[in-house]
Amino acid sequence: GAVVSQHPSWVICKSGTSVKIECRSLDFQATTMFWYRQFPKQSLMLMATSNEGSKATYEQGVEKDKFLINHASLTLSTLTVTSAHPEDSSFYICRPGGGSIQETQYFGPGTRLLVL
Amino acid sequence: DAKTTQPPSMDCAEGRAANLPCNHSTISGNEYVYWYRQIHSQGPQYIIHGLKNNETNEMASLIITEDRKSSTLILPHATLRDTAVYYCIVSYNNNDMRFGAGTRLTVKP
Repeated sequence: GAVVSQHPSWVICKSGTSVKIECRSLDFQATTMFWYRQFPKQSLMLMATSNEGSKATYEQGVEKDKFLINHASLTLSTLTVTSAHPEDSSFYICRPGGGSIQETQYFGPGTRLLVL
Repeated sequence: DAKTTQPPSMDCAEGRAANLPCNHSTISGNEYVYWYRQIHSQGPQYIIHGLKNNETNEMASLIITEDRKSSTLILPHATLRDTAVYYCIVSYNNNDMRFGAGTRLTVKP
């Protein structure tokens, strides 16, 4: 199955700074990338869907200017949390898409963000 | 929004079979049933998926009712490491996967 990596695995930052999270699809060319976030003791919530070379589609309630998604290549998508605040502290998880079921059923290991 | 309903929690004795139910009464004819699990602080782990027929792999079995309105994930011999939150998801071609609250399975010695 597809191998998905995320970097960093965890990050602590000060309020007001920006944080970039990378998601790599190591053995599959992902034309689509799904980004989720998960608050403590809650389920995963889909934030946005990006397509390689075009703008991302954001779910209702997710600020597109705050969560910048770049999907410049078929193996790399980035999520930048701009001007992070404590309420942005969460677990961010990606999942490559755009292929067969066998290729796109795998999630990344997640990035835990703590904003102080 | 999730299209599935699962019990919030279940317990299972180590070595016994764990049967996790899921209701998906509004499932469409071309939507698959997927099962994932999430161990604390990790990304979701794929378990199994099916469309109409029952499925089995090295991890689990998936039983889908004939009307496809519900399914059951079976872990045949649960171990302590199977303690996790289990999610049942319905999706067409897995491009739109939305999570419900899941079932927290606790395997007890």
